[in-house]
Amino acid sequence: QSALTQPASVSGSPGQSITISCTGTSSDIGGYNYVSWYQQHPGKAPKLMIYDVTNRPSGVSNRFSGSKSGNTASLTISGLQAEDEADYFCSSHTSSSSWVFGGGTKLTVL
Amino acid sequence: QVQLQESGPGLVKPSETLSLTCSVSGGSVSSGSYYWSWFRQPPGKGLEWIGYVYYSGSTHYNPSLKSRVKISLDTPKNQFSLNLKYVTAADTALYYCARKADYGSLFEPWGQGTLVTVSS
Repeated sequence: QSALTQPASVSGSPGQSITISCTGTSSDIGGYNYVSWYQQHPGKAPKLMIYDVTNRPSGVSNRFSGSKSGNTASLTISGLQAEDEADYFCSSHTSSSSWVFGGGTKLTVL
Repeated sequence: QVQLQESGPGLVKPSETLSLTCSVSGGSVSSGSYYWSWFRQPPGKGLEWIGYVYYSGSTHYNPSLKSRVKISLDTPKNQFSLNLKYVTAADTALYYCARKADYGSLFEPWGQGTLVTVSS
């Protein structure tokens, strides 16, 4: 059982927007602005898409955005494209000075 | 542009020690304020943070693995390494190395990963 809770799957049509939630506790997501999101295509290494809740690394499309409210963080992808189909993982710093992940969400572009 | 590459045995026997190396190119493990990190991902499952070593040599580990893990720097070779003792089948996973900025949750770049299977 993962420390952070994500939906197992989400889906959307090309051009639509989707949001993936990531729920933790006051000891992780709620306590720190150190939430990140990763995209992982089959057989590939994770790719950082969002860090520190809302920041995008250089080269990541501005169609990807992050937010946080209380103990829940969210990743929104707007203007869905076929290439966005992948697994997405959230991560957060914790009060024990470690890092925890969600179980992952499979995004299907219909 | 910093690049990371994992290497090491793909098969380890139960109760033995798993040893992996992450080679860094395009940057130095001893310069700048970075944490050099290890993660793992069992086949078909989620990610787990193992721990990291700071450029100064100090370390932080996942509490669930702390008793079995050691991460260290090899500055002459510009590498850092992972040792995990007393492995079992549950340690079978893809192992990734990555760099983390001094502050925050910026873990980037990542290596391509290396699969380690624990089996007799």
